[in-house]
Amino acid sequence: GESVGLHLPTLSVQEGDNSIINCAYSNSASDYFIWYKQESGKGPQFIIDIRSNMDKRQGQRVTVLLNKTVKHLSLQIAATQPGDSAVYFCAETAASGTYKYIFGTGTRLKVLA
Amino acid sequence: DAGVTQSPTHLIKTRGQQVTLRCSPKSGHDTVSWYQQALGQGPQFIFQYYEEEERQRGNFPDRFSGHQFPNYSSELNVNALLLGDSALYLCASSLAGVRQPQHFGDGTRLSIL
Repeated sequence: GESVGLHLPTLSVQEGDNSIINCAYSNSASDYFIWYKQESGKGPQFIIDIRSNMDKRQGQRVTVLLNKTVKHLSLQIAATQPGDSAVYFCAETAASGTYKYIFGTGTRLKVLA
Repeated sequence: DAGVTQSPTHLIKTRGQQVTLRCSPKSGHDTVSWYQQALGQGPQFIFQYYEEEERQRGNFPDRFSGHQFPNYSSELNVNALLLGDSALYLCASSLAGVRQPQHFGDGTRLSIL
């Protein structure tokens, strides 16, 4: 299928290492954030979410950190696997007055064998 | 449990034509959002439908319109197609409230010649 993110920032990580993908958001009113994974030819897949009343949330092999002071979000993937290769997007929304999600530009993760 | 399904997967049209894309939401979801994703970019919000009405709209012209049916499925219509409308069109479904994670289909790849 056609690739997503041909000119995106790329993070190359050795298989088995940990990955950290960063995202800066712009709207200080945003209070809910989601990380999505998008593989070539597919739609974004929900990975993990976090609300603004939390600093950290863990899932299976993934952790999301939220720093509201500097409006920064990160996704940590433990023991990165070849199947983790994809484009990763952060998305933000504000509870007040909007239902739309604003997506970041995305980061391509390449897992090296 | 079926996820979000979209049809068709690919479509080729010429400038000036009209197109209709279809979406069935994930079981249990009653809200449908549509996004446009250009190559190398994150999805951009077009609009959201709830209770058969457009409840929020992004920065897209009136050539983009939609509909939601009583069974919660939805259509996206684009009139007077332009070359710049070539993109991946994504449908996302969710529950109705704020801070609800949106789950995406694999999209319809629309190419305008």
